[in-house]
Amino acid sequence: EDQVTQSPEALRLQEGESSSLNCSYTVSGLRGLFWYRQDPGKGPEFLFTLYSAGEEKEKERLKATLTKKESFLHITAPKPEDSATYLCAVQGYAGKSTFGDGTTLTVKP
Amino acid sequence: NAGVTQTPKFRVLKTGQSMTLLCAQDMNHEYMYWYRQDPGMGLRLIHYSVGEGTTAKGEVPDGYNVSRLKKQNFLLGLESAAPSQTSVYFCASMLGGMLDYEQYFGPGTRLTVT
Repeated sequence: EDQVTQSPEALRLQEGESSSLNCSYTVSGLRGLFWYRQDPGKGPEFLFTLYSAGEEKEKERLKATLTKKESFLHITAPKPEDSATYLCAVQGYAGKSTFGDGTTLTVKP
Repeated sequence: NAGVTQTPKFRVLKTGQSMTLLCAQDMNHEYMYWYRQDPGMGLRLIHYSVGEGTTAKGEVPDGYNVSRLKKQNFLLGLESAAPSQTSVYFCASMLGGMLDYEQYFGPGTRLTVT
């Protein structure tokens, strides 16, 4: 059974204080690992897809990396508007995705 | 291009009542998904479809049924609602194919069962 574990559950940062979110996974046949951002009361919004170990992708202050067992979402010099819940998911060859419980990030000015 | 839409946005049911949630997408996507999200938790897959006329069970299918008679629509039914089904329901769609596994989500339906 596919599994995704995210840590920490919650992270509080000061504006400008860089940090990382972790996503550990087990999946039979990885099609892709995904990072989503979810704001309160809204549906998840796609950020990145990573397909193979060693791959990295960047978008503004966010950088996602992938190994064979985990992925990291690095946040560099965060701003208050980066506050949200960040969800990690994996998709196997069956066509369905398994999500982690998310990390709630709060960035204080 | 509206993306993924969900109807209704909010609903209150009494225990034992039935209802259908509608998900529609206008992106010609093959795959469609229904998730539920409980407070402080991630998304749990209820049912999904890999194409028109097909459906499959996800992680938490009990108490729900689905149908995908048209490619653009995915219906989620609750035959006899229970308080444990109080949740926020999200629909998503995905094109599929080679290296195209990004899921697009609807805004959600907040369901309360009393």
